[in-house]
Amino acid sequence: ETGVTQTPRHLVMGMTNKKSLKCEQHLGHNAMYWYKQSAKKPLELMFVYNFKEQTENNSVPSRFSPECPNSSHLFLHLHTLQPEDSALYLCASSPLLRQGANTGELFFGEGSRLTVL
Amino acid sequence: GENVEQHPSTLSVQEGDSAVIKCTYSDSASNYFPWYKQELGKGPQLIIDIRSNVGEKKDQRIAVTLNKTAKHFSLHITETQPEDSAVYFCAKKNSGYALNFGKGTSLLVTP
Repeated sequence: ETGVTQTPRHLVMGMTNKKSLKCEQHLGHNAMYWYKQSAKKPLELMFVYNFKEQTENNSVPSRFSPECPNSSHLFLHLHTLQPEDSALYLCASSPLLRQGANTGELFFGEGSRLTVL
Repeated sequence: GENVEQHPSTLSVQEGDSAVIKCTYSDSASNYFPWYKQELGKGPQLIIDIRSNVGEKKDQRIAVTLNKTAKHFSLHITETQPEDSAVYFCAKKNSGYALNFGKGTSLLVTP
């Protein structure tokens, strides 16, 4: 069982829908991440939260809205998405971050496969 | 910049042979270089990493080499087995808080 749990594992939504992806980590980590994985592309960093504070927003469109209520939970709220947003969305966690310091190992969940029709 | 170039994109080897995957980067500030393995339907998992103060690190059949001067690092898998078949990603620490990944190499080990 992975220490990082993502739900739902699969999601199909229309362009006018509003849905949310959920991530929970049981590892006692303080940093959480959203990455987007599309075919033939590198994993794209979307957001980073360190101690519930957003420390990085990698020029992500506003139709993706993250929420981090505590160090164990991370959400990605989705609204008015486009078909090109279809991808695997991966959540990850790691221990305390310090800017410029070694990130340490990222622990990934199994991802939420999103299809936008 | 922050990008990592990874080659090859696909690699097919026979069981028992070695596999080598190479990555290059351009900025000099990076000091941490991990490799992740992603099996079908799963998230990536760390398999080995190296820091900039060493040139080589080995863990059983897996080794990573780093050439900071030339700005490239490589993953070496010896005595490959069918269960090594997966997608492998190199990564490096970026100037912020997180990692930048390569595009991945799909490795197939045939019996």
